[in-house]
Amino acid sequence: DQQVKQNSPSLSVQEGRISILNCDYTNSMFDYFLWYKKYPAEGPTFLISISSIKDKNEDGRFTVFLNKSAKHLSLHIVPSQPGDSAVYFCAASGGGAGNQFYFGTGTSLTVIP
Amino acid sequence: DADVTQTPRNRITKTGKRIMLECSQTKGHDRMYWYRQDPGLGLRLIYYSFDVKDINKGEISDGYSVSRQAQAKFSLSLESAIPNQTALYFCATSDIQGRREQFFGPGTRLTVL
Repeated sequence: DQQVKQNSPSLSVQEGRISILNCDYTNSMFDYFLWYKKYPAEGPTFLISISSIKDKNEDGRFTVFLNKSAKHLSLHIVPSQPGDSAVYFCAASGGGAGNQFYFGTGTSLTVIP
Repeated sequence: DADVTQTPRNRITKTGKRIMLECSQTKGHDRMYWYRQDPGLGLRLIYYSFDVKDINKGEISDGYSVSRQAQAKFSLSLESAIPNQTALYFCATSDIQGRREQFFGPGTRLTVL
């Protein structure tokens, strides 16, 4: 059973606009959430994270929002740039998951110049 | 030089063959992980190790084994490869402390015919 879900396999956005990537999880014991970015032929690279004690974390153009009651997190990229075109994975860990990380299926973002 | 390296980068083999994928890291991290990525399924954890004497099964360990030869080296073996083990394999490392993000190698594309 998929504990972390990304229901949108792909997303296209115009350059300069906002990109919003969504992620849902089922395990209420998760207490730490991360977003990774992956280019073709490369491994995922860490982008931003958030602890369950917060509801927002910001790093430059990237902001992650966490809604614990809805078991939902989102990644906002503002403004979107062509170099942001990649596959984005969300991941979760903690609590009943022990030391394991559970990843979503990924969302492929295309930023159109 | 890359912090996390994987060899080989690509491998084609036949059903029933024994295969070893190797991972080395220069980050000085104690924790190492093996994941596989399949289309539509995201990244799934195969095995993880928190130090040389510690080996733990992940979500999908059946058909795989691992060896932690040193702090910097973590190998994944397929004792008798089968076609549904065709996938992209990633090694990752993380530190004991800090923000829990993982650092991934570039991946090994394995095809089992």
